[in-house]
Amino acid sequence: DAKTTQPTSMDCAEGRAANLPCNHSTISGNEYVYWYRQIHSQGPQYIIHGLKNNETNEMASLIITEDRKSSTLILPHATLRDTAVYYCIVRPIQGAQKLVFGQGTRLTINP
Amino acid sequence: SQTIHQWPATLVQPVGSPLSLECTVEGTSNPNLYWYRQAAGRGLQLLFYSVGIGQISSEVPQNLSASRPQDRQFILSSKKLLLSDSGFYLCAWSGSSGLALPFFGPGTRLTVL
Repeated sequence: DAKTTQPTSMDCAEGRAANLPCNHSTISGNEYVYWYRQIHSQGPQYIIHGLKNNETNEMASLIITEDRKSSTLILPHATLRDTAVYYCIVRPIQGAQKLVFGQGTRLTINP
Repeated sequence: SQTIHQWPATLVQPVGSPLSLECTVEGTSNPNLYWYRQAAGRGLQLLFYSVGIGQISSEVPQNLSASRPQDRQFILSSKKLLLSDSGFYLCAWSGSSGLALPFFGPGTRLTVL
C-alpha cells in the first residue's frame, strides 16, 4: 500500500505556481520522498526527490516540513505541458528499490 | 546513456491467447528491472521486479509471469489472457544501489477482447 496521501485533482492557471501537497505522516527516518509525473499515455517521469532538506532542480522545487510528515512540490511557472498526474512516493534508502505508487494528483493547467 | 525499450507499443489480443511483452535496457549492466501495470483510470501497480538473471519477485497473484533470461532483458508472459489483463504495461529499470532511481520505458498498451 502507498504510504502517501494526495488530493485527487487540482487546477492551476498557466504561468502561475502550482503547489502540490503530499501527506506522509508515517514516514520513517530512512525514507526519501520522491516525485514522479505521468503525462497521458506515457511512462512516469522522475521530477525530484529529497530526504529532509528543501531541494530544487530545473523542473521543480520540493519543500519538506521539518517533521517530514508532509511535503509540497512546486512548479514555479506552470505551462500547459505540465498537465499530468503527479505521484508522491516514499521509499527507503536501502533495500529493494521498487516504487509503490498511490493514486496521485491529476493536475490540470488551464490557459 | 541508458535507454529502455519496450515492444510492441500497442497490442490487441483475444481472450485465451498467449502474451509475450519484451523489455530491454541499453547502456548499463546488472540493472534492477520492474514490470508495472496500469488499468484504465487506475494507478500503477507493481507486478514483478528482478535484481538479477533468473531472479524474479512477484508482488501480486495474477495470470501473468515474468522471466529474465539475460541481464538486460525482462519478459512478461501469459499462457491465456483474461479480459482483466487489459491495461498499460510499463517496464522500468534502476541501478542496484540504494539511492538508484527507476526510469520507465514508453509502455505497451494491451487490449484483450
